[in-house]
Amino acid sequence: QSVLTQPPSVSGAPGQRVTISCTGSSSNIGTAYDVHWYQQLPGTAPKYLISGNNNRPSGVPDRFSGSKSGTSASLAITGLQAEDEADYYCQCYDTSLSGYVFGTGTKVTVL
Amino acid sequence: QITLKESGPTLVKPTQTLTLTCTFSGFSLSSSGAGVGWIRQPPGKALEWLAVIYWNDEKRYSPSLKTSLTITKDTSKNQVVLTMTNVDPVDTATYYCAHRRGESATGGSYDIWGQGTMVTVSS
Repeated sequence: QSVLTQPPSVSGAPGQRVTISCTGSSSNIGTAYDVHWYQQLPGTAPKYLISGNNNRPSGVPDRFSGSKSGTSASLAITGLQAEDEADYYCQCYDTSLSGYVFGTGTKVTVL
Repeated sequence: QITLKESGPTLVKPTQTLTLTCTFSGFSLSSSGAGVGWIRQPPGKALEWLAVIYWNDEKRYSPSLKTSLTITKDTSKNQVVLTMTNVDPVDTATYYCAHRRGESATGGSYDIWGQGTMVTVSS
């Protein structure tokens, strides 16, 4: 029922770069509203990670970067570390729904 | 420092009404731009946005659950309450409340989350 589509899983070796895509539509990612990303470590609540224009809360390393183009957005993790193994979700505001939408979620595995 | 904590029953019977309370600190829900939202996560599944209430008492609901949800706020108690009527086993999930960061009654992010409360719907 999510309107933002993400790949179920991505994986990479330590030190590598991985990207997670988030595909939406003209009523959400395709608008002027920012896309936001969250990290959920196993058994914990989601944590705000970064916005589409790369605003990070203090404490989030700059290995994480976000971007947006058209109706898609991406989260990149460079220099992958074991502690990055988690589920990642994108989120945006949807003008057609007049509410918020989350992505389907992506599990990142560090090989 | 903003904190939020959810409270409510851990077990609810089908067709009953579920009432969840979010008690927060570190901000005022009467301050311009402030908002508190509810998001749930069924076991092993993705996050699902449910509802949000803003400083000006505007409310937004997930279209698929709009008829069963009510969100209210008590600014003096720093609490937001979510009510869900006629619950079903598919409503079994961890329910989170979160601080909505933004400047208007649209857009923004959920930058601080509560720890979540697990609710099981079963007879």
